[in-house]
Amino acid sequence: EAGVAQSPRYKIIEKRQSVAFWCNPISGHATLYWYQQILGQGPKLLIQFQNNGVVDDSQLPKDRFSAERLKGVDSTLKIQPAKLEDSAVYLCASSPRLTSGRMSNEQFFGPGTRLTVL
Amino acid sequence: ELKVEQNPLFLSMQEGKNYTIYCNYSTTSDRLYWYRQDPGKSLESLFVLLSNGAVKQEGRLMASLDTKARLSTLHITAAVHDLSATYFCAVDSNYQLIWGAGTKLIIKP
Repeated sequence: EAGVAQSPRYKIIEKRQSVAFWCNPISGHATLYWYQQILGQGPKLLIQFQNNGVVDDSQLPKDRFSAERLKGVDSTLKIQPAKLEDSAVYLCASSPRLTSGRMSNEQFFGPGTRLTVL
Repeated sequence: ELKVEQNPLFLSMQEGKNYTIYCNYSTTSDRLYWYRQDPGKSLESLFVLLSNGAVKQEGRLMASLDTKARLSTLHITAAVHDLSATYFCAVDSNYQLIWGAGTKLIIKP
């Protein structure tokens, strides 16, 4: 079974430029997450999709970040314009579905995109 | 607001020793996950704990969950260098994972 795919793996841009990241989740996974991980910290959730709907985007800086998952499969995350503090690894994860009780919401992560803003 | 605290945040130990990483959280949850992250790599799922008293073991690592104490432990037995990594716990709350800050583990030969 193929894992979560992300591209590009690395990106270097100057501040005020735009950048986009792409994620393809594990086949059949309904839930998709975008995280930001700053060096030395745990992942911070930016946005969570269930199929093509947004479940939570409360921590997404909406003045500069946007994300979409139009067909409920692939997703893109965009930053426009980028700031120096956006330098981080952007991780995409997926899980089969949202469950409660004794069921797992284990998330499976892609390799990440390392963004450097100069 | 749910908070997840790991300790220690940094641990340097010798091969062959035993140690425990602690994960405390501030609200009710019966589901907790442990992940491993190698430098420059992504997050790899280690253990899924879905009920009070759950215990999972894989090789030299054993994880447990006490939901009444809101505490999970990750125990390392007879550490080897290959276990050097950062370990994260994540608590399942309202269909999201709330992450600890991570414990950076260095095991010296």
